[in-house]
Amino acid sequence: AQSVTQLDSQVPVFEEAPVELRCNYSSSVSVYLFWYVQYPNQGLQLLLKYLSGSTLVKGINGFEAEFTKSQTSFHLRKPSVHISDTAEYFCAVSETQGAQKLVFGQGTRLTINP
Amino acid sequence: DAGVIQSPRHEVTEMGQEVTLRCKPISGHNSLFWYRQTMMRGLELLIYFNNNVPIDDSGMPEDRFSAKMPNASFSTLKIQPSEPRDSAVYFCASSTTSGTRETQYFGPGTRLLVL
Repeated sequence: AQSVTQLDSQVPVFEEAPVELRCNYSSSVSVYLFWYVQYPNQGLQLLLKYLSGSTLVKGINGFEAEFTKSQTSFHLRKPSVHISDTAEYFCAVSETQGAQKLVFGQGTRLTINP
Repeated sequence: DAGVIQSPRHEVTEMGQEVTLRCKPISGHNSLFWYRQTMMRGLELLIYFNNNVPIDDSGMPEDRFSAKMPNASFSTLKIQPSEPRDSAVYFCASSTTSGTRETQYFGPGTRLLVL
């Protein structure tokens, strides 16, 4: 079974500052990795995903994430955040074979201060 | 494209009542997923369908919960009888396939409060 740990439940940053949201996973098999964003009172929206190939994945809204297999991590980064990035961010993992179900982390609440 | 549509958006009911949540997936999507989000347990997959057939319901909490997909454009999640611990946000998502390579598109959710 897979599990996901998001190391920070809340991350406050100032507008235009860089941000990194940390995600570690545990799995005995190969995995796909995902970051979703949830704006207030809305459903989740896919930011980016790693399926194979380049370990640096670029997503929407200027976000990117890097898959580091040796550290079982998939941290999300943005070089300069905006007020509109205030949301909850979820890291998720699934097996590449078999029962391909998304397993989500607990989420990181990103708050952007002016 | 209208996206995934869920109704109602909010539901307040009393313990013991039957609750029915509804979902219309994106047209052309063959897979539908029901998730539950709570503060304590986070986001959990309850059940998913592929081509209207339930594939995995191992996440359904107990017999009080049931889900159906009578056709490709409609699914329901029913709780009978409801209990206060069922209070949560319930999301429906759809995808072109059940494999996770394909993006799951989430609806806005139904916020359920059981008193």
